[in-house]
Parts: sequence; C-alpha cells; structure tokens
Amino acid sequence: EVQLVESGGGLVQPGGSLRLSCAASGFTFSSYDMHWVRQATGKGLEWVSAIGTAGDTYYPGSVKGRFTISRENAKNSLYLQMNSLRAGDTAVYYCARAASGYDGFDYWGQGTLVTVSS
Amino acid sequence: VIWMTQSPSLLSASTGDRVTISCRMSQGISSYLAWYQQKPGKAPELLIYAASTLQSGVPSRFSGSGSGTDFTLTISCLQSEDFATYYCQQYYSFPFTFGPGTKVDIK
Repeated sequence: EVQLVESGGGLVQPGGSLRLSCAASGFTFSSYDMHWVRQATGKGLEWVSAIGTAGDTYYPGSVKGRFTISRENAKNSLYLQMNSLRAGDTAVYYCARAASGYDGFDYWGQGTLVTVSS
Repeated sequence: VIWMTQSPSLLSASTGDRVTISCRMSQGISSYLAWYQQKPGKAPELLIYAASTLQSGVPSRFSGSGSGTDFTLTISCLQSEDFATYYCQQYYSFPFTFGPGTKVDIK
C-alpha cells in the first residue's frame, strides 16, 4: 500500500526556517517525481515545488529562492527546506506523488500544518 | 504562467442531479489536465487525468472531457458522498497550477 506521511510542521516566527519531511512507503520511491502542494485554511490548492527522479527541481515564483526541495532515495524521503518564512506561507503542506506517465498526482499525504506568526 | 478559471465557484445541487464544472486555461495545454475531489480536512483525491481518463477505483458517474483550453467535469448522477470541492490542475508546464475550485453543496 502506498503511503506518504508528512512531518515537521509547527509554529515559526516570520523570517524563520522550517524543514518538512515526507516518508514514502509501498512503492519504489526513486522511480517517481515528487511534489509539495500547500493549502491555506479555507483557500485553494497551490503547487509549491517538484523534484524529478534525476534531482531536477522546480518552483513557482512565490517560493523560488526561499524554499528548497530535496530527496534522499536511500531513506525513501522527500524534504522541503523553507527559509525566510512569511505569514502568507501559513498552510497545510502536502507531499504528493506524480503518477507514472505524469498523469496527475495519484497519492497524497495527510498534510502537515505550518503556521508563521509572531 | 498558465492561469486557470473554474465555473461556477459554488454549485448547489440535489442528489441525483447531473452537474457540470468547467475549467478554462489561459493557453492551450493539450490534454494535460487532472481533476481532484477534496472533502473537508482531507487530502485531495485524483479523479481524472489526461482530461478524460478515469483514475482506478473512481465511480463511472464521473467523466471528463475537453482539450486545449476548455475542459469539463461531469457527475452524471450526484450521490451524497460527492458533495465536496473539485479542483482542476494543469500539468502541461511548470509552474503547475490549480484552478480556484468549485464547491458542490446540498441545495
């Protein structure tokens, strides 16, 4: 059974840093592109970052230069290093697996809440 | 950046109704479109990919159509468990983007 379990969320002050983790199981992690998606309370979904099987990375302008996605295939783990956090980064962060053939995101974690507040 | 609109933003319907949600792109994306269902407090679930292909395990009352810039999600006979928020997503080019969502609630 495919499982994605996020951790590392919490309360952080503006300007601070946080590192999220996503533990994957039930599939060959190294063979799949992985993504982070976030959702502020009561708002829609926002794609945050992606990492390919070769380690290539992608970001939207809203987080580029502040967030870094990485993976550790030996540990079946995905990470999101978030620096220079702002109140607008407050959201539930989900990790998601890109389906084979890149047909959408077929598995999602349960999410981890990040709150940026003083 | 490819911008997306969804309509309507809120759809009030009754069990048994046929409902249609539209998603429009700011530029053509071929068929690189997915639809997701999200219930409160839960992660999104993939319903349809490649604009019209049903994800495994998804009931056949869900269907998708369209290509290029205009896409549609149809629920042929609304069931109680279908009251949720629906999002379209383009994965044609980075940055991937989601539509603003359509909430389907009980009339």
